[in-house]
Amino acid sequence: GAVVSQHPSWVICKSGTSVKIECRSLDFQATTMFWYRQFPKQSLMLMATSNEGSKATYEQGVEKDKFLINHASLTLSTLTVTSAHPEDSSFYICSASVEWGQGNSPLHFGNGTRLTVT
Amino acid sequence: AQSVTQLGSHVSVSEGALVLLRCNYSSSVPPYLFWYVQYPNQGLQLLLKYTSAATLVKGINGFEAEFKKSETSFHLTKPSAHMSDAAEYFCAVRGGKLIFGQGTELSVKP
Repeated sequence: GAVVSQHPSWVICKSGTSVKIECRSLDFQATTMFWYRQFPKQSLMLMATSNEGSKATYEQGVEKDKFLINHASLTLSTLTVTSAHPEDSSFYICSASVEWGQGNSPLHFGNGTRLTVT
Repeated sequence: AQSVTQLGSHVSVSEGALVLLRCNYSSSVPPYLFWYVQYPNQGLQLLLKYTSAATLVKGINGFEAEFKKSETSFHLTKPSAHMSDAAEYFCAVRGGKLIFGQGTELSVKP
């Protein structure tokens, strides 16, 4: 149980274009999902908290107009990288919890999306 | 603020040897702690979590971790390393969000 599916697993796009990444909770509903970014050989950096039916909460330093997050249903959150540039190339990972309100409820992660901007 | 520190960015062991990955936490309240494993180009998989029900927590793949409040530690161990254990391991503490340590890369030599 508690499977999070992320799509696509990798994408190459040209500079200036936009890319959408989908994150789905397959066997549970998630009112809250999280988007992380990971640089090579580094830890995960929380970008934003996605809340179903409301605006996402972005971490300090993350451009909300560049990284658009939509959480339209209890099982789907999307991250759109707008006007992508080479420096946006990274590994993006989404996560969700069965019951985030419970302190010991773990996050379950998607398999990540490798974005390369040329 | 809550945080975790992983001691050692890289640990190398021989196959069959003990695995010890260190994690120390900082928290003003009883912490919720987790260990995750990440294989190359994949997401994170939960190994185990500390729920305060027991100080010794058993996880998947033969891993376990012991919560020691006096040492503010939550070290991950496995009695006998296997080649398939080679991966990146992250300790994390839960507050309003999940905060990760810097990660420890485990290498297993044949």
